[in-house]
Amino acid sequence: GENVEQHPSTLSVQEGDSAVIKCTYSDSASNYFPWYKQELGKGPQLIIDIRSNVGEKKDQRIAVTLNKTAKHFSLHITETQPEDSAVYFCAASITGTASKLTFGTGTRLQVTL
Amino acid sequence: GAVVSQHPSRVICKSGTSVKIECRSLDFQATTMFWYRQFPKQSLMLMATSNEGSKATYEQGVEKDKFLINHASLTLSTLTVTSAHPEDSSFYICSAGGGTDLTEQFFGPGTRLTVL
Repeated sequence: GENVEQHPSTLSVQEGDSAVIKCTYSDSASNYFPWYKQELGKGPQLIIDIRSNVGEKKDQRIAVTLNKTAKHFSLHITETQPEDSAVYFCAASITGTASKLTFGTGTRLQVTL
Repeated sequence: GAVVSQHPSRVICKSGTSVKIECRSLDFQATTMFWYRQFPKQSLMLMATSNEGSKATYEQGVEKDKFLINHASLTLSTLTVTSAHPEDSSFYICSAGGGTDLTEQFFGPGTRLTVL
């Protein structure tokens, strides 16, 4: 089955700096890669996703890149703000009904003033 | 769009009792719903996949008779933790499959279960 590794486990950046979180996956059949933000005591919220037919996707301060050959994808947050502080999870799945997500282990991002 | 609710948000129960958690997709029909369990500072672990009108598919190691899942309609799935014990205390999160090809998952806010 699919295995997703995520690094780093914790990340501290100063407000305004960029943050990068990296994930690798094992199953070459995976073609859908979402990123979730989870605040304390809440459910995960989808912040951006990418499919294997594109290499990069951007939404304001958030971007995701995908390297299918190396089987890794990354989340980039620019101009970080204190409200970006949360736990971020990457995941991988194969598109289609009832497709199961395999999650990474999570990255706790702390944005300091 | 794509709003998923869970009820209750928190529940405390005595050991040996059963607890039911509801998961609703509020603005779309969800053929498939998923149930996850999350321990403190850990990732989400898939417990089971629930398809409307059919039996749930459980992940390896998850007891079917302990975690009863019912997906009776396209907007409602329930998870019942039977004969709960302290080790069942956890954060339970549901998600509903949606999006253009039903690949995306939209998560509920979670239910914190504490078994005394």
